[in-house]
Formats: sequence, C-alpha cells, structure tokens
Amino acid sequence: DGGITQSPKYLFRKEGQNVTLSCEQNLNHDAMYWYRQDPGQGLRLIYYSQIVNDFQKGDIAEGYSVSREKKESFPLTVTSAQKNPTAFYLCASLGGGGVFDNEQFFGPGTRLTVL
Amino acid sequence: SQQGEEDPQALSIQEGENATMNCSYKTSINNLQWYRQNSGRGLVHLILIRSNEREKHSGRLRVTLDTSKKSSSLLITASRAADTASYFCATVSRAGSYQLTFGKGTKLSVIP
Repeated sequence: DGGITQSPKYLFRKEGQNVTLSCEQNLNHDAMYWYRQDPGQGLRLIYYSQIVNDFQKGDIAEGYSVSREKKESFPLTVTSAQKNPTAFYLCASLGGGGVFDNEQFFGPGTRLTVL
Repeated sequence: SQQGEEDPQALSIQEGENATMNCSYKTSINNLQWYRQNSGRGLVHLILIRSNEREKHSGRLRVTLDTSKKSSSLLITASRAADTASYFCATVSRAGSYQLTFGKGTKLSVIP
C-alpha cells in the first residue's frame, strides 16, 4: 500500500508540554509539508521540506519545529511556545518536479487537543 | 497568507442537481488545483488546470480558469450524496516552486 501515514489519529496534550506528530510516506517523494487546519478554515502552511536535511518555514512556523533526517519521515513537534495548538494537522508530500506538474498527496490527519 | 477565496462558503443542493463553486485569487499563478476533503479526513486531489488552459474535464468535474478575472470555477454535474464534502482551491504562483496556497473552502451538502 503506497501512501502517507500519520500517527496518532487523536492526541491530547497538557498545557506546557511538547508533543511530536509523526508523518511517514512510502511514495519516494522528495518534498513534504505540514499544514494546520482550524474549524471551517482552509489549510495554513507550517513547514515544508524539499529534500532531506533541509526545511523551510511556512506562514505560521512560530511554536513549531521539524526535522527531515530521512526521506520517508517528516515529524512535527508542537512546542509549548505555540499558544493555541488545538487544531487538525495534515501532512502531505509531493513528487519530483515541484508543484508545477504535480498534486500533493495528503495523510489522514492528526487532531490535537490541548487540555 | 491565503490567496484563494472560495464562494459560496456553503452550498446545499438536491441529488442530481449540478453544483458550482467559485475560487478567486489575487496574484498571478502557474496553476490552480482543486481538492476535496471529507469530514475529518485528509485532502484528495481532484484536478489541476494550468494558467494557459481555459477548461478541463475529469469525469463529472468541469473546471474553468479565467486568468484575466483571476477566478476559477468547479462544476460537479449530476451530484450524488457521496459528493458531500468540502472543496478547496489551491494556487501555485510563478515565484514559488514548492508551495500551494489554499483557500478556505466551500462546504457542499448533497441531499438524497
């Protein structure tokens, strides 16, 4: 089965805690993305990575961190500095050639709730 | 920043009717894509239209692009209850090579 997996599906965090969301893909895609979606809203880009060991901030990177040590994996850490982290988080990947010719493939999402 | 703006925000139709959703954007683009999201799930790509194309079809989907008006429309013909979902447009600018900018979406409800 080719695709993108995200875990966990639901995550609860106490205030002041860091949490890490997992994203794995077996599509052999170079580029990977993290988006945040709030209720009734579109997707906002947190971070993206075009290649291993490289990543770029998106529109709302404050309070988040990422790593890209392997092509298949792009974990997102939500730090305690993120003041309003309750949201639905989506990971995506993109094949070679950039977005000029390719679609993004999305994982099923992780719903993070701060208690 | 969000470039695409979908209209309407919500749309409710009877099964069998056509559904039309519009997307307006602000800056020049290389291509525009439409995605579908079922409630609580990830997005699924539907169709991509390039800036030099005016219309594209895929099954029951028809997408138009008017770069002079900076707008696109998605038409779903003969809608089914299974088409109930949120639909998002996403734009790719000429300057950016790896980023998509998503709108806020249109929530479509198809009543059986």
